[in-house]
Amino acid sequence: GIQVEQSPPDLILQEGANSTLRCNFSDSVNNLQWFHQNPWGQLINLFYIPSGTKQNGRLSATTVATERYSLLYISSSQTTDSGVYFCAVGGVNLETSGSRLTFGEGTQLTVNP
Amino acid sequence: ETGVTQTPRHLVMGMTNKKSLKCEQHLGHNAMYWYKQSAKKPLELMFVYSLEERVENNSVPSRFSPECPNSSHLFLHLHTLQPEDSALYLCASSRDRLAGGNFDTQYFGPGTRLTVL
Repeated sequence: GIQVEQSPPDLILQEGANSTLRCNFSDSVNNLQWFHQNPWGQLINLFYIPSGTKQNGRLSATTVATERYSLLYISSSQTTDSGVYFCAVGGVNLETSGSRLTFGEGTQLTVNP
Repeated sequence: ETGVTQTPRHLVMGMTNKKSLKCEQHLGHNAMYWYKQSAKKPLELMFVYSLEERVENNSVPSRFSPECPNSSHLFLHLHTLQPEDSALYLCASSRDRLAGGNFDTQYFGPGTRLTVL
């Protein structure tokens, strides 16, 4: 099946700093989503971005499908941004990917005041 | 406000107990999913239902038994679990499972944190 690697695994920032999270994947995808899991376990969808660039407030994401990576940018970070950020992809090869999203192991972000 | 609710939020059970997890989505979606999230591991897909039909079972042990009586409700029946089954169980829904090779955005519930003693 498709492999998803996220980096860095852990990231500690001071409030106000900017950061870039990376997601590499091993095969062609037709679905890529970024999620934020808060400290209470709730997963919130941030972006549906199989290709191109999107922005939502302080967050933006870019997926370069031909080079098999996606980036999540967080600007002017706040303590409420803390949590785990997951990248999840759906492969185009239905025989190996089926109906599933394959999740990376996540980036644990801590924003200190 | 996610539109997907799960109950209970926390559950502690013994290995001989039988319990059920419930998920309800208020988004009018046709597909629902169960995921397991263990400590230090990525989310693992367990089951996929589309229009109340199970379309994927990701090699899950039979002590986990899903049920989807209608497109808004999804249950996970648990019996004779093992301590290693302790995890966060997440339910998700999406508009469709598969549409022209493309999947829709998945919306997650808050999860049930399960502890098996």
